[in-house]
Formats: sequence, structure tokens, C-alpha cells
Amino acid sequence: DTAVSQTPKYLVTQMGNDKSIKCEQNLGHDTMYWYKQDSKKFLKIMFSYNNKELIINETVPNRFSPKSPDKAHLNLHINSLELGDSAVYFCASSQLLRDSYTFGSGTRLTVV
Amino acid sequence: QQQVKQSPQSLIVQKGGIPIINCAYENTAFDYFPWYQQFPGKGPALLIAIRPDVSEKKEGRFTISFNKSAKQFSLHIMDSQPGDSATYFCAASMKSGGSNYKLTFGKGTLLTVNP
Repeated sequence: DTAVSQTPKYLVTQMGNDKSIKCEQNLGHDTMYWYKQDSKKFLKIMFSYNNKELIINETVPNRFSPKSPDKAHLNLHINSLELGDSAVYFCASSQLLRDSYTFGSGTRLTVV
Repeated sequence: QQQVKQSPQSLIVQKGGIPIINCAYENTAFDYFPWYQQFPGKGPALLIAIRPDVSEKKEGRFTISFNKSAKQFSLHIMDSQPGDSATYFCAASMKSGGSNYKLTFGKGTLLTVNP
């Protein structure tokens, strides 16, 4: 079974649209993250939730809104999509121990 | 400001060679240094990690060397194989908010191992 699963795997949408990416982990981890990987492969943290509470909120446009209905799920909603939002978005989870980051397979978002 | 600097950006070696990837950091609050391996179309996967009280760690063909005074660490891959071709990321972790930790990545190194 997949430990961290993201849907959809690919997302192509037009500028100005609103879209959501879903993430679920079945590892029993307390903390979940969203990372953005740009075209140059650079991985940058966007948000971190611990047990449904927002812990880390990097400098991300407020068009991006994470939502954690429970500690096994962390969704990412993006309003008014822009061309620059095109990237691969990775969900990850961990226990309080920092050596247990597990990443999902990513969602490739293309804004046209 | 890039907190973890990684080099080289890309690296090509022959099978059996020993690629070396280097990383440097500035913030002494970092206290955990993992390496991640990413294959195309996949998420990064933890490969090996080290804490600053240790100068070297080996797991199979992968070795991390850590120099605390120089604030540098590196990954060595012994007897490299074509299957090791991937993007490698160094990272550094520090506390961020209570007992949570924030992982900061280097920019990645694309390794190609030719047969």
C-alpha cells in the first residue's frame, strides 16, 4: 500500500482557475507538509501541519490555502492560478523524529 | 538566501566510479543532515542521514562525511551503478515551532552513471 498518496498525479488547467490537490498518509505520522519543486528541481517547503495545526507557513501567496481535516490528510487549494504556479507539488509526512520524512509521488501542475 | 549550498549541479561518472556530492551550510542551528534520492516521476526518498556528533556514516555503498568545523558534508557513492542515476539532494533540519523540525534542501545534483 502506498504510504503517502497524492491525487491527482497530473493537473492541467487554465490561468485564473481554482484547483485542489489531495494528500493522504497511512503511516500514522503526526506531521504533514507541502513542498514545491520548480523546473530546476529546487524543493521548497510551503506549509507544515502537526496534528491538524498549522506549524510552518513560508512566504507563499495567500492564493494557496492548506486544509487538514484530520492528521492523515492535508489538502492544498489554489485560487486564481497563475503561470508561475506550474511546478510539481509534493506532500510529505513525518513523525516528530525528523528522520522519517516520507514523500508522495508528486502532482505535476501545469497552468496554461 | 540559500541556506544549504550543494555542488556540483550535475555529475557524470562511469560504472564503478566514486561520485562525490558536496554540501555546505551556514546556520549552526541545523542539527540533522539527511540525503535524499529522487528518480524521475517519483518523490524524494531518504537515502542516508547523519547527526553532527559523527564524522562519518556508511550504509552499504553510500557514505556521508561530515566536517562540523567547516560546516560541510558530502555524499560518496562507492562502486556506482547505472541504477544509481538519479537526482540527489542534501538537506539540513532544525527545530521550527515547538518540537517540529523544518527540512531545508540543497538545489540537487543530477548524477548519471554510464555503463
